[in-house]
Amino acid sequence: DQQVKQNSPSLSVQEGRISILNCDYTNSMFDYFLWYKKYPAEGPTFLISISSIKDKNEDGRFTVFLNKSAKHLSLHIVPSQPGDSAVYFCAASGRTGGSYIPTFGRGTSLIVHP
Amino acid sequence: ETGVTQTPRHLVMGMTNKKSLKCEQHLGHNAMYWYKQSAKKPLELMFVYSLEERVENNSVPSRFSPECPNSSHLFLHLHTLQPEDSALYLCASSLRTSGGVDTQYFGPGTRLTVL
Repeated sequence: DQQVKQNSPSLSVQEGRISILNCDYTNSMFDYFLWYKKYPAEGPTFLISISSIKDKNEDGRFTVFLNKSAKHLSLHIVPSQPGDSAVYFCAASGRTGGSYIPTFGRGTSLIVHP
Repeated sequence: ETGVTQTPRHLVMGMTNKKSLKCEQHLGHNAMYWYKQSAKKPLELMFVYSLEERVENNSVPSRFSPECPNSSHLFLHLHTLQPEDSALYLCASSLRTSGGVDTQYFGPGTRLTVL
């Protein structure tokens, strides 16, 4: 049973618009969440994270929102650029009582059209 | 060289071959991981070496054998693999601290094809 779900396998967005990637989790012990970005033929690279004590974390064009009651997080990219085209993985881990090893979703392939 | 490196980047092997994947991290981390990424599946954790402790996913077949001689090097020994083992094998490392967060840094992966 998947504990971290990315239900949209792909997303297509026009350059300059907002990209919203969604992630849901089922394990209430998760308290730390990460987003990774992966280009073809490369390993995933860490993008942004958020702790459960926050509901928002921002880094430049990237913002992650966390809704603990809904067990949902999302990654917003504004404005989207063609170079953002990649597969985005959501991951979750639990530092207190859970496992520190992140559990990954299947990924969402983002395509940003010029 | 910086970050996490993996060799070889591509590997084609027959089912009777024995080969090894190598990973090296230059980040001063104290935990290393092997992941398997198959098409349209989540990253599957295979093995973890953390603070001299080994953790493994019990569903990983014994034809995969990890070795971690020190905190900077990690190997994955492969023998009598099956075609369904064809996948991207990713190595990662992280800095484990007491109560701290665990951000993993990945290598570029080895694309393995088993014929």
